[in-house]
Amino acid sequence: DAGVIQSPRHEVTEMGQEVTLRCKPISGHNSLFWYRQTMMRGLELLIYFNNNVPIDDSGMPEDRFSAKMPNASFSTLKIQPSEPRDSAVYFCASAPSGSSDTQYFGPGTRLTVL
Amino acid sequence: EDQVTQSPEALRLQEGESSSLNCSYTVSGLRGLFWYRQDPGKGPEFLFTLYSAGEEKEKERLKATLTKKESFLHITAPKPEDSATYLCAPRGGEKLTFGTGTRLTIIP
Repeated sequence: DAGVIQSPRHEVTEMGQEVTLRCKPISGHNSLFWYRQTMMRGLELLIYFNNNVPIDDSGMPEDRFSAKMPNASFSTLKIQPSEPRDSAVYFCASAPSGSSDTQYFGPGTRLTVL
Repeated sequence: EDQVTQSPEALRLQEGESSSLNCSYTVSGLRGLFWYRQDPGKGPEFLFTLYSAGEEKEKERLKATLTKKESFLHITAPKPEDSATYLCAPRGGEKLTFGTGTRLTIIP
């Protein structure tokens, strides 16, 4: 299995620009999670989907962040407009069924907002 | 609110020197405690899930144990390739709450 795939691996952008991160979960997995990791706050859950439906987005920091899952094999996390404090590593993870299952993480996208 | 604290923040050991990492947690109705390993520049890699106090799981030089308030990751006779950050994540409700991790360095 290819595992969770994320793109791009690195993104450098300027403040105010729109950023779109992409994720392809493991085939057959029904749950997908977006996390953000920083040195100060560690790994934080932003949002998770079950069967393509957003279940809990309480971790999304503000309206500048949005996430979609148009089908079972693709999800996006968008930041518009981006700010320097959004600089972090963003991980996507998938699980077979529900948040109680083991989550398998992708390699992450390192975002730098200048 | 679920809380988790990992200690120490960083640990340096000589190759072969055994030790333990601690994960203290406060959750309402624990529904599993997960351990992950994270190498630099990579995503967390699943190691273990523990569900009830007294449960133990082993994988090579690692053994995870669980009490009602803590989990320990024991590492026996570690090798340099065991160097990584180890994350614990208890699950009380629908979410995992990750600790900030213990950065383990094994010196040859």
